[in-house]
Amino acid sequence: SQKIEQNSEALNIQEGKTATLTCNYTNYSPAYLQWYRQDPGRGPVFLLLIRENEKEKRKERLKVTFDTTLKQSLFHITASQPADSATYLCALGGTGGFKTIFGAGTRLFVKA
Amino acid sequence: GAVVSQHPSWVICKSGTSVKIECRSLDFQATTMFWYRQFPKQSLMLMATSNEGSKATYEQGVEKDKFLINHASLTLSTLTVTSAHPEDSSFYICSARAPVDTGELFFGEGSRLTVL
Repeated sequence: SQKIEQNSEALNIQEGKTATLTCNYTNYSPAYLQWYRQDPGRGPVFLLLIRENEKEKRKERLKVTFDTTLKQSLFHITASQPADSATYLCALGGTGGFKTIFGAGTRLFVKA
Repeated sequence: GAVVSQHPSWVICKSGTSVKIECRSLDFQATTMFWYRQFPKQSLMLMATSNEGSKATYEQGVEKDKFLINHASLTLSTLTVTSAHPEDSSFYICSARAPVDTGELFFGEGSRLTVL
């Protein structure tokens, strides 16, 4: 069955450093991969989408890479800030009615 | 971006009662909405796909008589938890696809249900 793995352990980093989160998946060939941010007690908020034919995508301080051979995506937040502290969810999607499936997320804590 | 509003944000009810949660797309029409359930530190579990004007499609293991979904208009889907029990206590979230299907999902704020 399809499986998405995100590091279940929280990531603690110092303000100003780059946070790197990992998403690995198996038994799936997604047409695209997405990253969402979720704050406690709130719904997820879309951040970035990267398609299977794209290697890297950037948006402001965010950068996402997508390696379909390794079946892995890396999510980077540069110059991290305490306000970046949240849970980040990886999601895989496909075309033709394929459902979007979500990982359990990685909790990020950025210390001032 | 598109806005999805969910109401109520939290609700406490007695065991055996029914609870309705609303999901509205505020500035776009959503022919399809999705309902999820989320337990602490776990991923979003898709419960059902709500289709405007037709029956919802439920995921395997989700009781359709327990979780009633109605999508009567292009901007409103409702989830009714019938005869709620403490094990139904959870965080319920809805989402809708972007107006131009880019794959992006817009989520509601979520509803925390506590059944006593």
